[in-house]
Amino acid sequence: DAKTTQPNSMESNEEEPVHLPCNHSTISGTDYIHWYRQLPSQGPEYVIHGLTSNVNNRMASLAIAEDRKSSTLILHRATLRDAAVYYCILRDLYNTDKLIFGTGTRLQVFP
Amino acid sequence: SAVISQKPSRDICQRGTSLTIQCQVDSQVTMMFWYRQQPGQSLTLIATANQGSEATYESGFVIDKFPISRPNLTFSTLTVSNMSPEDSSIYLCSVWSGQGSYNEQFFGPGTRLTVL
Repeated sequence: DAKTTQPNSMESNEEEPVHLPCNHSTISGTDYIHWYRQLPSQGPEYVIHGLTSNVNNRMASLAIAEDRKSSTLILHRATLRDAAVYYCILRDLYNTDKLIFGTGTRLQVFP
Repeated sequence: SAVISQKPSRDICQRGTSLTIQCQVDSQVTMMFWYRQQPGQSLTLIATANQGSEATYESGFVIDKFPISRPNLTFSTLTVSNMSPEDSSIYLCSVWSGQGSYNEQFFGPGTRLTVL
């Protein structure tokens, strides 16, 4: 399974944008980049995923580097509810159904 | 989407005993996944459970310790056998929902297990 590298923790103030980086230098051509987050005392929840192009949904944006070796999850206006552990995961859609979690980034949001 | 429930939500058990965790999904799915999350750690995949076949275990996990049943397309159980304090963790099940590249994985709320 391709490996991702994320900072252990990040901090933000409420209503400010947050950029969560992820490095995946060994990504293969069929790896999708998935982001999940885990709120305190809950199971993980899907945030966003993409292959090559930048993606937007109501929760966040995903910016993917042109060489696909890195990506950034963007929360446009952080709220206290966004405090969670964010996981960047690579999944080869055509070869596996497994999600292998790394250590993730713990995001703290201050009022 | 998929809605997943787990029972029990939490339990405190004595070492040497076994606990069976149930996972119920509101739709039929081919694969169900079981994860373990040790205190302060990330999620570790235990096994993949397909209906009608033996579960596939990840490295470091064995059927004798974590037997899995998958009697139908909406239900699975994970048993934690002969428990020790090191088995104290949150156990989660998950499923994929959606089509092709538009699918996402949904997780249950977890079962918090404490072994004394």
